[in-house]
Amino acid sequence: DGGITQSPKYLFRKEGQNVTLSCEQNLNHDAMYWYRQDPGQGLRLIYYSQIVNDFQKGDIAEGYSVSREKKESFPLTVTSAQKNPTAFYLCASSWGSGQPQHFGDGTRLSIL
Amino acid sequence: GIQVEQSPPDLILQEGANSTLRCNFSDSVNNLQWFHKNPWGQLINLFYIPSGTKQNGRLSATTVATERYSLLYISSSQTTDSGVYFCAVATGNQFYFGTGTSLTVIP
Repeated sequence: DGGITQSPKYLFRKEGQNVTLSCEQNLNHDAMYWYRQDPGQGLRLIYYSQIVNDFQKGDIAEGYSVSREKKESFPLTVTSAQKNPTAFYLCASSWGSGQPQHFGDGTRLSIL
Repeated sequence: GIQVEQSPPDLILQEGANSTLRCNFSDSVNNLQWFHKNPWGQLINLFYIPSGTKQNGRLSATTVATERYSLLYISSSQTTDSGVYFCAVATGNQFYFGTGTSLTVIP
């Protein structure tokens, strides 16, 4: 079955450590996205990538980094510079601009 | 960016009741989607509806792009409809989400 796989589902890290969240899709979509959700808020865009080896910052990119070396993969690194990293992170993909987005099941990151 | 407002913020329904959720947005968009975040945290795509009306079982949605709003109708609600309903709009690649309507359906 085609879909988006995020791993792990739950992630715990010590303060000051970098952590990388995985997102893989087998839908052959060109575009991929990372969102963050905090309680009582809608999803906010962190980074997006329209094509391999290219990505752009979203509304809240500070403290995060991404790479897009392969079409299927768009890992997100939460760096120690991110002041409030504890949140629910969702990855999505789509055929391109304006096309429907499909979401993974999310990763809940908690900083101890 | 585009402002997306959803109403009501919270809704409690008796099983079998109907409801209407509203999404207002502040600018022209080329995409609008309705999502359901179920109690397990999964974000399910309900409708891709930048304009017009669509129906899927007990759910239907209407977007009036010229007036910058969309409505999601839930008929004969069931307890499995509980969760948070998000509206998201896009201009180009940038998606903007509303804060959601939290729906609780009680038996």
